[in-house]
Amino acid sequence: EVQLVESGGGLVQPGGSLRLSCAASGLTFSSYEMNWVRQAPGKGLEWVSYISSGGTIYYADSVKGRFTISRDNAKNSLYLQMNSLRADDTAVYYCARDSPTSASLDYWGQGTLVTVSS
Amino acid sequence: YVLTQPPSESVAPGQTARITCGGNNIGSKSVHWYQQKPGQAPVLVVYDDSDRPSGIPERFSGSNSGNTATLTISRVEAGDEADYYCQVWDTSSDHPYVFGTGTKVTVL
Repeated sequence: EVQLVESGGGLVQPGGSLRLSCAASGLTFSSYEMNWVRQAPGKGLEWVSYISSGGTIYYADSVKGRFTISRDNAKNSLYLQMNSLRADDTAVYYCARDSPTSASLDYWGQGTLVTVSS
Repeated sequence: YVLTQPPSESVAPGQTARITCGGNNIGSKSVHWYQQKPGQAPVLVVYDDSDRPSGIPERFSGSNSGNTATLTISRVEAGDEADYYCQVWDTSSDHPYVFGTGTKVTVL
């Protein structure tokens, strides 16, 4: 069974940094594209970042230059380094796996809450 | 690329709910749908316009043509009350994943 478990969320002051992790199990992690998707309180889903199995990376404009996605295939883990955090980065952050057969997200973690506030 | 959904939809138990997702020439793209219940992660319920992942009831179906994609929920149950999001992969962009604005389905 595929499991994705996020960690690393918490309360951080504006301008601060945080590193999110996503531990994957039940899949050959190195073979899959992975994503971070966030959801601000009471708002819709917002795609944040993508990393392919080969290392191709994309970012949403809202986080480009501040967030860095990475992966460690040996540890079956996905990361999101978040710097220069702002109040509007407050959200639940989900890691999600690309489906191998369609451009959809077929497995999601339960999310980790990031709150940016002074 | 922008995907527009109605904010809300109300439906009586046993009836049919239809949730639309509007986008420019969306019929040329593959559309995927997610269900999200309060406090839970999204769940993929339809992919590639009309296919269902394993474990998703046949009551969930989809279609896509022109400028509108539609998620149809037949014989609606109380447990179908949730937010629903459409999503496409925008191949022309380096922001590949685009989500719709979301529709809150209320079962009366």
